[in-house]
Amino acid sequence: DTGVSQNPRHKITKRGQNVTFRCDPISEHNRLYWYRQTLGQGPEFLTYFQNEAQLEKSRLLSDRFSAERPKGSFSTLEIQRTEQGDSAMYLCASSLLVANTGELFFGEGSRLTVL
Amino acid sequence: DAKTTQPNSMESNEEEPVHLPCNHSTISGTDYIHWYRQLPSQGPEYVIHGLTSNVNNRMASLAIAEDRKSSTLILHRATLRDAAVYYCILRSSSNTGKLIFGQGTTLQVKP
Repeated sequence: DTGVSQNPRHKITKRGQNVTFRCDPISEHNRLYWYRQTLGQGPEFLTYFQNEAQLEKSRLLSDRFSAERPKGSFSTLEIQRTEQGDSAMYLCASSLLVANTGELFFGEGSRLTVL
Repeated sequence: DAKTTQPNSMESNEEEPVHLPCNHSTISGTDYIHWYRQLPSQGPEYVIHGLTSNVNNRMASLAIAEDRKSSTLILHRATLRDAAVYYCILRSSSNTGKLIFGQGTTLQVKP
């Protein structure tokens, strides 16, 4: 078991460019979550999938953000027309479908810097 | 989601016990108390969780007040590797399983 894997680990881009992050959850985990974390703050929930269905999106997820999980396995988070305010660590987590005690397993994150 | 309140920071000496407090006065009957920690440059990791009774695992102990309005995470012997941000989170049994993080407590461990 290799844990939750995120790629790339670091991304530097210019304002206005599009970026895509990939998350490979622990196999057989049906739930997948995306979070964003800025310096000195706790992670903020962005969106969540159960299998391939995106069941919840935070108001933080503007129209420039889109997430997919096409076959219920890996997920991608795309940010279009990046802005400097998008600079943050993007964290992915996965868990089994357990109502209240299911532990979330987090990846090490993808750090985005927008110049 | 019910809110938790934690001190911004705490200090401890290595090999001494650490008690990290959390207040959650608006906790509901279906809320579980979860603790996660985040080491520098890593994603958060699960530490422990409980509902009403005190809990022990290999990482820590969780002491829950009788009225459930507060809890304490106990690290029995702090090591330098325990320096991290510790998050106390209420997680409803009826929600999607997502975690809502606050700002947590930054624990410094001095050698």
